[in-house]
Amino acid sequence: QVKLLQSGAALVKPGASVKMSCKASGYTFTDYWVSWVKQSHGKSLEWIGEIYPNSGATNFNEKFKGKATLTVDKSTSTAYMELSRLTSEDSAIYYCTRGVEGDYWGQGVMVTVSS
Amino acid sequence: DIQMTQSPPSLSASLGDKVTITCQASQNINKYIAWYQQKPGKAPRLLIRYTSTLESGTPSRFSGSGSGRDYSFSISNVESEDIASYYCLQYVNLPLTFGSGTKLEIK
Repeated sequence: QVKLLQSGAALVKPGASVKMSCKASGYTFTDYWVSWVKQSHGKSLEWIGEIYPNSGATNFNEKFKGKATLTVDKSTSTAYMELSRLTSEDSAIYYCTRGVEGDYWGQGVMVTVSS
Repeated sequence: DIQMTQSPPSLSASLGDKVTITCQASQNINKYIAWYQQKPGKAPRLLIRYTSTLESGTPSRFSGSGSGRDYSFSISNVESEDIASYYCLQYVNLPLTFGSGTKLEIK
C-alpha cells in the first residue's frame, strides 16, 4: 500500500536551517509529483511547492521561494524539503503529499523554531 | 492567486443531520476542487476530487457538487466519526490554494 513516511520532529534555533524527508513506498516514486504543505498551529493549509521526481522539476508558491528547497533521491524514493533562515513564523507542521490532489499524505513533521 | 472562500468556519450538527459546506473561488476553477477531512492530530485525508468523485473508502454519505466558482460539500446522516475539520482545495492553477476550513462539531 502507498505510504509516505516523514522524518521526526525538529527543534531548531532562529536563523538556522532544517531539512526533512519523505520516504515513499508502495508506488512508482517517479510517476507522481510530491507536494509540500504547511499547517501553522490551529490554522489552515498552505501549499509550499512541488517536485517531480523523474526530472527534478519544481514549482513554488511565490511566498516560499527562497525559503524552501525541494530535492529528491530517486535511489531511495525519498523527497526532501529544506527550510532556511528560520523564524518563529516557520514553526508549523509540514506535510508531504502525493500528486496534485494529494491522495496520500505523510504523517507530518512538527518544526519548532525557538532559541 | 485564486482565493477560496470557505464557509461556515464552524458547524454544530446533531447525529443524523445533513450539513453543507461551501467554497467560492475567486475565478472559475472548472470543477478542479477537492475536499479533505482532518481529524485532530492527523494528516488531512482526501475524500472527494474533481468536485464529486469519491475516493475509494469515502462513505457514500459524503458528496460534492458545483461548477464555475461555486462548490459545495455535504454530509448526509452525520455520524460521530465525522467530527473533524474540512478543507477545500483548488488545483486548477498554481499555487494550489486551500479554503480556511470548517470545524464540524456534534451537538
